[in-house]
Amino acid sequence: SQKIEQNSEALNIQEGKTATLTCNYTNYSPAYLQWYRQDPGRGPVFLLLIRENEKEKRKERLKVTFDTTLKQSLFHITASQPADSATYLCALVGSSNTGKLIFGQGTTLQVKP
Amino acid sequence: GAVVSQHPSWVICKSGTSVKIECRSLDFQATTMFWYRQFPKQSLMLMATSNEGSKATYEQGVEKDKFLINHASLTLSTLTVTSAHPEDSSFYICSASRQVRGEQFFGPGTRLTVL
Repeated sequence: SQKIEQNSEALNIQEGKTATLTCNYTNYSPAYLQWYRQDPGRGPVFLLLIRENEKEKRKERLKVTFDTTLKQSLFHITASQPADSATYLCALVGSSNTGKLIFGQGTTLQVKP
Repeated sequence: GAVVSQHPSWVICKSGTSVKIECRSLDFQATTMFWYRQFPKQSLMLMATSNEGSKATYEQGVEKDKFLINHASLTLSTLTVTSAHPEDSSFYICSASRQVRGEQFFGPGTRLTVL
């Protein structure tokens, strides 16, 4: 069956360190993968999109990698700040034309000052 | 740009009543809108996809007669939870996209509590 897995345990790191979150998937052939941030009681906010033919994407302190052989995406936040504390969701879009997003369960990041 | 609003932001209703949730794209025309449901500490689960002027496509296991979706214009979609029951209590989130496989912009969500 199709699965998207993110580390369900919360990630606690010290301010200034790099946070690395993992998204693994099975039985998918995603056209592209997206990362979102979600704060409690709010809708997700789009962060980055990476296509199947791209290895890495950067935006300010954020970096995403996409390895279609390993079926894995890594999401990095460098020089992390307490304001980065939130739940981060990965989402896949399949190769069909529907545009449907399938979300992982999210990883909660806590950055301590 | 690309702002999506939802109304109401929260609603409490009695069991057996119907509740309508609106999703609006404020500064762009949304060809496609999506409705999601999220239970506490779980991920977003897609309920249905709606394209302006046509019937919504529901995901497996979602009752189309219970969750009525109307996408009457390029800026408005509504989700009506009919004869709501406590198990329908959840966080309902919509998203809107300019094109079928384009970036989705999410609304702030609606918290529904059915007593």
